[in-house]
Amino acid sequence: DAGITQSPRHKVTETGTPVTLRCHQTENHRYMYWYRQDPGHGLRLIHYSYGVKDTDKGEVSDGYSVSRSKTEDFLLTLESATSSQTSVYFCAISEGTSGRALYNEQFFGPGTRLTVL
Amino acid sequence: LAKTTQPISMDSYEGQEVNITCSHNNIATNDYITWYQQFPSQGPRFIIQGYKTKVTNEVASLFIPADRKSSTLSLPRVSLSDTAVYYCLVGISNDYKLSFGAGTTVTVRA
Repeated sequence: DAGITQSPRHKVTETGTPVTLRCHQTENHRYMYWYRQDPGHGLRLIHYSYGVKDTDKGEVSDGYSVSRSKTEDFLLTLESATSSQTSVYFCAISEGTSGRALYNEQFFGPGTRLTVL
Repeated sequence: LAKTTQPISMDSYEGQEVNITCSHNNIATNDYITWYQQFPSQGPRFIIQGYKTKVTNEVASLFIPADRKSSTLSLPRVSLSDTAVYYCLVGISNDYKLSFGAGTTVTVRA
């Protein structure tokens, strides 16, 4: 399995509090992604990164920010968590050096279950 | 972003072949078709990818007709462990916003 870890694996927090989820890879892949998964919606892309300090928005980016200061770490931050952000969050990585990177196989982490009360 | 449509669920029995069809009427010339599999409490896993005609690997086959407006994932002789959600993905090569959609839940019964 690709070396991807997510922390924490489970978190319960209250509305209005900041939350940061961490994704760490040991594969030295250039591309990293954050998805959320909710019943009936499959996985939806929140943000992605195509290099250190290079990030862009995905399909559902409102209320989320990301940072990537090192190749191996991609952080997802909820500045002020809301109940609608209760979800399972997956990090993924892929190789690639161009816009076709999305077609390359994505390797997923184990997920973080976040509950916002 | 090419929109995909796939059945919400499918039931099968052990040893049977399962075929999941995905419609993608507005697929672009540069788009590839990719399928992922997801087991409960795990992240998705890449199964197969193709551009046209037929692709086969040790896990599945992917059939793509000439017009490429649909594709069919074929799982031969399924077992209970093939029970999972299967996602069809079609993306525009110059648009990073790939979407997994809701997928097809395949349930294999003994």
